[in-house]
Amino acid sequence: ETGVTQSPTHLIKTRGQQVTLRCSSQSGHNTVSWYQQALGQGPQFIFQYYREEENGRGNFPPRFSGLQFPNYSSELNVNALELDDSALYLCASSLGGAAPWETQYFGPGTRLLVL
Amino acid sequence: DAKTTQPTSMDCAEGRAANLPCNHSTISGNEYVYWYRQIHSQGPQYIIHGLKNNETNEMASLIITEDRKSSTLILPHATLRDTAVYYCIVRSRITGANSKLTFGKGITLSVRP
Repeated sequence: ETGVTQSPTHLIKTRGQQVTLRCSSQSGHNTVSWYQQALGQGPQFIFQYYREEENGRGNFPPRFSGLQFPNYSSELNVNALELDDSALYLCASSLGGAAPWETQYFGPGTRLLVL
Repeated sequence: DAKTTQPTSMDCAEGRAANLPCNHSTISGNEYVYWYRQIHSQGPQYIIHGLKNNETNEMASLIITEDRKSSTLILPHATLRDTAVYYCIVRSRITGANSKLTFGKGITLSVRP
């Protein structure tokens, strides 16, 4: 158990809809990173939030957006869902800032199915 | 981040040591070697990381060659619960650098009874 929680655990949406996924970071951590893992692949970095600001982004379109709140929890929003967005979405929390290489601890993930 | 190369799969017998190799020939002096594992459909679990010296914790040992171009993760007494995909990741330690983890496909370890 890492102390990182995600909700919901599973979600089914249809193409074109919007979805919001949530992540609560481990106590004391101020940085949240989001990853997408398609079936049979390793996780791919979407973006990272540090103290409520985006702090790096991977190769994902603008319809993937996020927020971080003052308590360091975070949301991932995906608009105009496509079939290829079906994946396991993982968040990881860490103590960033002056030590960005600090270990990231992952939550259990949210499995999204787009029909 | 530098890329890593891992075999696709390996197996070992329960109770024996599992030695998982990783090549990272282009690693720079400012990059750590991290290992995570992922048991089916769960989030990746941090195992261990190192810079130059060998490291050991309650889960595993990490042996890094002197030239830092390769490393080996050792699970000293593998159990059936160690069956998972193991990811070797090279990660920058420079302040201000993007601290993302770049995952490859990893190595699938199967522990047989």
